[in-house]
Amino acid sequence: KAGVTQTPRYLIKTRGQQVTLSCSPISGHRSVSWYQQTPGQGLQFLFEYFSETQRNKGNFPGRFSGRQFSNSRSEMNVSTLELGDSALYLCASSPTSGRHTGELFFGEGSRLTVL
Amino acid sequence: DAKTTQPNSMESNEEEPVHLPCNHSTISGTDYIHWYRQLPSQGPEYVIHGLTSNVNNRMASLAIAEDRKSSTLILHRATLRDAAVYYCILRPSGGGADGLTFGKGTHLIIQP
Repeated sequence: KAGVTQTPRYLIKTRGQQVTLSCSPISGHRSVSWYQQTPGQGLQFLFEYFSETQRNKGNFPGRFSGRQFSNSRSEMNVSTLELGDSALYLCASSPTSGRHTGELFFGEGSRLTVL
Repeated sequence: DAKTTQPNSMESNEEEPVHLPCNHSTISGTDYIHWYRQLPSQGPEYVIHGLTSNVNNRMASLAIAEDRKSSTLILHRATLRDAAVYYCILRPSGGGADGLTFGKGTHLIIQP
């Protein structure tokens, strides 16, 4: 069974640009959540999607957005990039949304560098 | 909002047991305690979870205090491959963004 796939794995952007990251969950999983990981702040929750609907949202500005498609694949977008957006962006999938049994399966992440 | 507190780092010797503590004094009755770990250059991976009773699986054991305000992840015989950052999180069974907050975790160092 294929794991969670994130693309691209690495990318470099400049301030003011926008970026779109993609996440393909494990087959059959309907929940996708996104996280930002930086050395200073650790692993912070961005948002969660379940059946194409945003179920939860973390404390991030509106420049961070996402969506989920009917096949459960998800994308996140960051507009007007800032230097502080440089981070590892992780995606996780789960069969269920927000339930205790929802073990999260993480991808390897997309490392974004903003210059 | 339920939150967890973990030591920034811990060090242990190879082939010895490791006890990783986590405090969650504001835990609610419906919060499940989950543990994940993140090896270098990888995404986090699930380790174990529980509600009230102690839990065991092939990777580790989870000991939960009677008042549920703290828990301990136990690695019975640490190996070098267990060197990772360990995260303790609370996942409310009713859902919610707080149940998906990982924080900074405990950096476990294993000495050969």
